[in-house]
Amino acid sequence: DAGVIQSPRHEVTEMGQEVTLRCKPISGHNSLFWYRQTMMRGLELLIYFNNNVPIDDSGMPEDRFSAKMPNASFSTLKIQPSEPRDSAVYFCASSLYSPLHFGNGTRLTVT
Amino acid sequence: KNEVEQSPQNLTAQEGEFITINCSYSVGISALHWLQQHPGGGIVSLFMLSSGKKKHGRLIATINIQEKHSSLHITASHPRDSAVYICAVRSGDDKIIFGKGTRLHILP
Repeated sequence: DAGVIQSPRHEVTEMGQEVTLRCKPISGHNSLFWYRQTMMRGLELLIYFNNNVPIDDSGMPEDRFSAKMPNASFSTLKIQPSEPRDSAVYFCASSLYSPLHFGNGTRLTVT
Repeated sequence: KNEVEQSPQNLTAQEGEFITINCSYSVGISALHWLQQHPGGGIVSLFMLSSGKKKHGRLIATINIQEKHSSLHITASHPRDSAVYICAVRSGDDKIIFGKGTRLHILP
């Protein structure tokens, strides 16, 4: 199994631009999680899906953030418009009643 | 106060030492995870516990539900164990709450 696949690995963009992060979970997993990690705040859960349905998005910072899971094999996290304080590493993880499996993360830098 | 507290925040030890990292939580949980994050940034799930004890190689994780406490032990520590170890709990309302992590450095 290829594991959880995230793209891109690195993203550098200017303030105000739209950013889209992508995640392909492990096949057969029914839960998908988006996290953000910064030095100041550590790891934070942004949103998670169960069977493609958003269950809890209380961690999404504000309306500039949105996440979708159109099918069991793909999810996106979009930031529009991006701001410098959004700079962080964004992780996606999936699970099936089991330990979490993390992707390698997307390092986002907003200048 | 954070709902998940880890100690110590930083730990430096000599190769071969027995390592203990602690995690205390204040919410009801359905499961507790121990994660390992290497300097390259990748995160690996080490254990998921809901009771008792689990062992994998030189790693042992224990949980005491009554005391709301878990420990991660590393026997015969090695420099390649150097990483950040993160405790995360899955609360009763299905949220996942992370500790701030323990940065472990094993000296050769």
